[in-house]
Amino acid sequence: GAVVSQHPSRVICKSGTSVKIECRSLDFQATTMFWYRQFPKQSLMLMATSNEGSKATYEQGVEKDKFLINHASLTLSTLTVTSAHPEDSSFYICSARVPPGEGYTFGSGTRLTVV
Amino acid sequence: KQEVTQIPAALSVPEGENLVLNCSFTDSAIYNLQWFRQDPGKGLTSLLLIQSSQREQTSGRLNASLDKSSGRSTLYIAASQPGDSATYLCAASEGGNEKLTFGTGTRLTIIP
Repeated sequence: GAVVSQHPSRVICKSGTSVKIECRSLDFQATTMFWYRQFPKQSLMLMATSNEGSKATYEQGVEKDKFLINHASLTLSTLTVTSAHPEDSSFYICSARVPPGEGYTFGSGTRLTVV
Repeated sequence: KQEVTQIPAALSVPEGENLVLNCSFTDSAIYNLQWFRQDPGKGLTSLLLIQSSQREQTSGRLNASLDKSSGRSTLYIAASQPGDSATYLCAASEGGNEKLTFGTGTRLTIIP
């Protein structure tokens, strides 16, 4: 089936630094990818929709200058958390819609800890 | 705005029992509904996808139903096993913008 590969799975960074998370569709082209954030014991909250070749669409309350999204090719989307702070510590997961009628597939997630 | 709720939030059952997880959504104009499982610290694994025109889908010991008119979906797990322990999430898709709205999840524990 369609697979989305997400890296890194875990990252620890110092406050004030930036972190990049990659999400690749391995055996299909993903015109659109989605980035979610999940706090402990909570459900997934959509942060932004990443569109290949155009600007991302951010959900209300998500700072676009802090969470930079780039979708430069049909198989790669990246999320960069800029000037990270401890409150940005969370679990970030990407997703892509698989071929029509097959729903969505998710990456394995990235646990970000800002110290 | 679509809201998705899952009841119960947590459930513990002895191994071998059949069980039902519930998912409710407020806007019946969904494109499809998908059930996922999430193991601790991991991503999501797709279990079943039900298109808006369908009433149910089955895969092995899992059966998911969809009733758009009442805004409900259920996930039935037969003959539960300890390996079924995980958090189960349902998500409703809006057709126009492809957005998924997730439920609050049910944390399932199967007791050996």
